[in-house]
Amino acid sequence: GEEVAQTPKHLVRGEGQKAKLYCAPIKGHSYVFWYQQVLKNEFKFLISFQNENVFDETGMPKERFSAKCLPNSPCSLEIQATKLEDSAVYFCASSQSGGGSGNTIYFGEGSWLTVV
Amino acid sequence: TQLLEQSPQFLSIQEGENLTVYCNSSSVFSSLQWYRQEPGEGPVLLVTVVTGGEVKKLKRLTFQFGDARKDSSLHITAAQPGDTGLYLCAGAQAGNNRKLIWGLGTSLAVNP
Repeated sequence: GEEVAQTPKHLVRGEGQKAKLYCAPIKGHSYVFWYQQVLKNEFKFLISFQNENVFDETGMPKERFSAKCLPNSPCSLEIQATKLEDSAVYFCASSQSGGGSGNTIYFGEGSWLTVV
Repeated sequence: TQLLEQSPQFLSIQEGENLTVYCNSSSVFSSLQWYRQEPGEGPVLLVTVVTGGEVKKLKRLTFQFGDARKDSSLHITAAQPGDTGLYLCAGAQAGNNRKLIWGLGTSLAVNP
């Protein structure tokens, strides 16, 4: 597609429940990024993929967060046993190359997770 | 500690006024990007600056990258209500330009 498509747009989970978010990057883009935007607009990098391989996962809280980008499937971000502080907007983004100085990173509209 | 300090955090001005938003850091960035984000949407890239001292113009918006590549500014001339939104700067660090470091944004309201 011509845009980064994220689903669902809104998700409400009780504390301790699992949450799974999906992202279809722009066709032809090799890199996928997940960011978490919390209150006060802070963007936190979670993980990036180069095709189906994890490129950088230094931002992932590994105990409960996992992510995959499998061939011919939307990428996914899964949170096991959600906590109240996981409430945030989760943005997926993609780029042809790695972003930064060379290429534009395109963001989806985000998935708003509310943990109650 | 926030690596990229953005100021002001909030700005409310009248249509036709000029404004400048600043993005400062003690770290050197290989490039710096400015985004605009509207409620309920993802950030949209406005510009990327790469070279120290670089100035880029986008209609009424002027972006500047500091000589030392540690800071940047966004200047809007004759602001319009349509300029209302959240402006974010994000830097890519040398050696890891695939992971952006973000400022906290400047929320701009332009009143008619």
